Amino acid sequence: AQKVTQAQTEISVVEKEDVTLDCVYETRDTTYYLFWYKQPPSGELVFLIRRNSFDEQNEISGRYSWNFQKSTSSFNFTITASQVVDSAVYFCALSEPSNDYKLSFGAGTTVTVRA
Amino acid sequence: DAGVIQSPRHEVTEMGQEVTLRCKPISGHNSLFWYRQTMMRGLELLIYFNNNVPIDDSGMPEDRFSAKMPNASFSTLKIQPSEPRDSAVYFCASSLAGGYEQFFGPGTRLTVL
Repeated sequence: AQKVTQAQTEISVVEKEDVTLDCVYETRDTTYYLFWYKQPPSGELVFLIRRNSFDEQNEISGRYSWNFQKSTSSFNFTITASQVVDSAVYFCALSEPSNDYKLSFGAGTTVTVRA
Repeated sequence: DAGVIQSPRHEVTEMGQEVTLRCKPISGHNSLFWYRQTMMRGLELLIYFNNNVPIDDSGMPEDRFSAKMPNASFSTLKIQPSEPRDSAVYFCASSLAGGYEQFFGPGTRLTVL
């Protein structure tokens, strides 16, 4: 069974629009960790954020913000005022002690920001 | 600080040849991971090490693949003999153990003709 679901395969927006990427996860562990990674066209995987299951505070980093809601098992990611440089594939991932802390990745969402 | 270092960045080889990919993790990290990424299968974990010891190699496709970590600062992934279906980008990542973020190397793009 898929542990991390990113239902949006592709999103296309015009520059300066906001874009929200959905991530829904499934786990039976009470302690777990959630991550977002960015993979730009150049191919590298860039770590964006880590969140543990006991910290439900939303986080903002510049134009990026994350909304963690345990009640709905979601960890959504919003890019505000998108820019062309935000064009990338974004992966959500889950790490669980019951799975040896291995990362379970979602399928990724491809974001294209048009000028 | 240097990130995860992988070499070579690109490798083109012919079917049947041996391929060795190399990785230097971030200093102080005690977990190391090898992944493979293809369009068809996405990101797959091949094997991971904790404190230089292989913990889970269930993702290694078959006996043609092997990985070693002789010390805390070096790991290799070997494919022998290589096949066209092994063509992919291979990533190495390292982290502290226990649910911490993994930092990925730039990847090795392998093409087997």
